[in-house]
Amino acid sequence: NAGVMQNPRHLVRRRGQEARLRCSPMKGHSHVYWYRQLPEEGLKFMVYLQKENIIDESGMPKERFSAEFPKEGPSILRIQQVVRGDSAAYFCASSPLREFYNEQFFGPGTRLTVL
Amino acid sequence: QKEVEQDPGPLSVPEGAIVSLNCTYSNSAFQYFMWYRQYSRKGPELLMYTYSSGNKEDGRFTAQVDKSSKYISLFIRDSQPSDSATYLCATLRDDKIIFGKGTRLHILP
Repeated sequence: NAGVMQNPRHLVRRRGQEARLRCSPMKGHSHVYWYRQLPEEGLKFMVYLQKENIIDESGMPKERFSAEFPKEGPSILRIQQVVRGDSAAYFCASSPLREFYNEQFFGPGTRLTVL
Repeated sequence: QKEVEQDPGPLSVPEGAIVSLNCTYSNSAFQYFMWYRQYSRKGPELLMYTYSSGNKEDGRFTAQVDKSSKYISLFIRDSQPSDSATYLCATLRDDKIIFGKGTRLHILP
């Protein structure tokens, strides 16, 4: 029974390139959450998605960032035209139901480095 | 004022000691509180959660909420080197988990 999977684990991009981060939720989980952890900062909520729907994107930067969770396949967090300030660890979490906060399991994260 | 405040540490204690980790929160409407443990280069894992005030115990871990002072605590008894990690307190607002910055804990063998 695999946990939440994220890939790649490490991603290096040059300024101006695009970064695509993937998250496969746990089996049976249909709710996905993305968080960003900047150096010396706590985890910050970015976006909450269900299959084919963005439920809450109040934590997403207004520009360059987008997220999707298609009917088939993993959830994708996309960062266009990356800048050095985007360097961070990006975590996704999944849960079976919206109310199951105590069953929100986190993946190992993708560490993005922008050169 | 940040919604959840947590001293980043680091906190170093000898093996076997009782560890006390603390957070304060700003909004008295918060009802749900969690503690996560995060090992280096890993994702956070939920340790304990509590609803409203009171204590909750699970093995060597005790979570405590004092709503009158907006103070949440995690106690670790008989601390082990394997407890060395970053501990994040968190609460719930509008279905979003709001995290503190985390406290780095080192248990010295």
